[in-house]
Amino acid sequence: RKEVEQDPGPFNVPEGATVAFNCTYSNSASQSFFWYRQDCRKEPKLLMSVYSSGNEDGRFTAQLNRASQYISLLIRDSKLSDSATYLCVVNIVDSSYKLIFGSGTRLLVRP
Amino acid sequence: NAGVTQTPKFRILKIGQSMTLQCTQDMNHNYMYWYRQDPGMGLKLIYYSVGAGITDKGEVPNGYNVSRSTTEDFPLRLELAAPSQTSVYFCASISRTSGRREQFFGPGTRLTVL
Repeated sequence: RKEVEQDPGPFNVPEGATVAFNCTYSNSASQSFFWYRQDCRKEPKLLMSVYSSGNEDGRFTAQLNRASQYISLLIRDSKLSDSATYLCVVNIVDSSYKLIFGSGTRLLVRP
Repeated sequence: NAGVTQTPKFRILKIGQSMTLQCTQDMNHNYMYWYRQDPGMGLKLIYYSVGAGITDKGEVPNGYNVSRSTTEDFPLRLELAAPSQTSVYFCASISRTSGRREQFFGPGTRLTVL
């Protein structure tokens, strides 16, 4: 079983749509959670951290369910510029700060 | 700050050749990492370093070596290149005192082994 699992997509949605991505992780010792965005042929960049109480950053909302070991990302009012691959990432807190990456969910926003 | 820089951007190697992928960061970060990303896949950790003179293996270290003689530089060495090492290689770094734990990535090196 993969440590971090995501639906690969692609999710093909019209502009203005709301879209949700899900992610599950297998290691209950995971302590920090993130969503990274990766544009085609570019490096990953941090989109947002995910906190236990849930958090929002503009059109983006992230949720964490530790009991179910489940993370979600909701994007409201999708823009063409949101087209990218979204990587679910977890960190098992130790002295190395290593990150474990999911394979990513691809989003295509069409006009 | 330039952030994390990687050279070269692209490289084609023949089977059995060797090369060094360069990574430099100017943010005085303690921790540095090398990942590889195969098409349609997530990033897999090759090696990491928690400070100058200290390195450790990640998930997929076979066929690679690293060194960390300075805080700024973390080169990745490929000995005897194989087609299975065709991938995009990303270097990343983070400060030990970073509250957000955001890893900063370089732009990547695209390597093809033929």
